[in-house]
Amino acid sequence: ETAVFQTPNYHVTQVGNEVSFNCKQTLGHDTMYWYKQDSKKLLKIMFSYNNKQLIVNETVPRRFSPQSSDKAHLNLRIKSVEPEDSAVYLCASSPGQGGERLFFGHGTKLSVL
Amino acid sequence: AQSVTQPDARVTVSEGASLQLRCKYSYSGTPYLFWYVQYPRQGLQLLLKYYSGDPVVQGVNGFEAEFIKSNSSFHLRKASVHWSDSAVYFCAVSPNSAGNKLTFGIGTRVLVRP
Repeated sequence: ETAVFQTPNYHVTQVGNEVSFNCKQTLGHDTMYWYKQDSKKLLKIMFSYNNKQLIVNETVPRRFSPQSSDKAHLNLRIKSVEPEDSAVYLCASSPGQGGERLFFGHGTKLSVL
Repeated sequence: AQSVTQPDARVTVSEGASLQLRCKYSYSGTPYLFWYVQYPRQGLQLLLKYYSGDPVVQGVNGFEAEFIKSNSSFHLRKASVHWSDSAVYFCAVSPNSAGNKLTFGIGTRVLVRP
């Protein structure tokens, strides 16, 4: 067993720029997620993919788009960042869709100036 | 919007003592409530979940939680802790039972002293 890897760890950018975050899991899990940790430190689901297919898409702005090339990878692109996008984004994976076991990456901290 | 409050960032208890971890949720619909545990260097593992019925839910390793709707609470309890219960405990709420739309609290770190 290894883990969930996210890059970059930090990213500083300006309003209107495009950013991409990468996530890879080497656990052989079928389901991957993107969570956003808000200013109150709450983790809120954004997207969930199962075997490359989108199964959960919470109410997030359209400038956010997940991309999955295979079940081990789930990237997140933000087309035109806004100040309120400043947050920590966490990638996670689980063996199935039920959230019985969840493994999180260390997060990508985005700062929008 | 749903949210979860875990007011205690850290709790220290002695081995054999009882433990209660507080969790309050906010959700306008029917909440589905979860407790997860994260042991050092491991992923989150589901301890128990509440969907409906008996408000006291039994979980693994002697843990139980009680859903009190009037108080919007879902506190976790264990009658007698063991040193191996030292971990971080997360409360979560979801709009469905599938567990794929979770909102997590910030977690409570529990240290059990021998």
